[in-house]
Amino acid sequence: AQKVTQAQTEISVVEKEDVTLDCVYETRDTTYYLFWYKQPPSGELVFLIRRNSFDEQNEISGRYSWNFQKSTSSFNFTITASQVVDSAVYFCALIDQTGANNLFFGTGTRLTVIP
Amino acid sequence: GAVVSQHPSRVICKSGTSVKIECRSLDFQATTMFWYRQFPKQSLMLMATSNEGSKATYEQGVEKDKFLINHASLTLSTLTVTSAHPEDSSFYICSARDTRTGPEQYFGPGTRLTVT
Repeated sequence: AQKVTQAQTEISVVEKEDVTLDCVYETRDTTYYLFWYKQPPSGELVFLIRRNSFDEQNEISGRYSWNFQKSTSSFNFTITASQVVDSAVYFCALIDQTGANNLFFGTGTRLTVIP
Repeated sequence: GAVVSQHPSRVICKSGTSVKIECRSLDFQATTMFWYRQFPKQSLMLMATSNEGSKATYEQGVEKDKFLINHASLTLSTLTVTSAHPEDSSFYICSARDTRTGPEQYFGPGTRLTVT
């Protein structure tokens, strides 16, 4: 069965610190997609990144970077030089074929960046 | 691109009344739309998957007669909460998928429903 685990429920960091949000997933499929979404206090989910199972290259986008490791079934998200605007709930999610291509969300990690 | 709107953003209704929430894909055609429910400080729970022109597929435990979903066009899906009760108060979020570009779901801004 599909499962996405975000063990960190809440994290607080001081502005300009780096922070890594962990995501561990489970799937029996060889083809799957992993996502990160940001949910700021306004409530709207903002798409951050998609990774497919055949592409293990790490990605960097500005202050955001993602580390995808199939060997450990992890897809971690790092924010460098955090800012107050980064404060939000971050969800890791999985789509696989067994799950009828529906999104399976983790429980989310609430990040608070303290000025 | 890939913008999804939801209306209304907030609604307060009395117990026993029905409320309709609209979800629109503004700049793409969405063959599939999804409806989620989110309780405070919890993750999103998929309620149903809506395919254009066909009946919605409901997740286990979701009452199809209470949460009516219609996906009449490639850009519009509606969720009607019938005979609302206070326990239906929640944050409802829709998403849409543009199958031409990939499996991503693009989310609407959500609707906060309060039933008094």
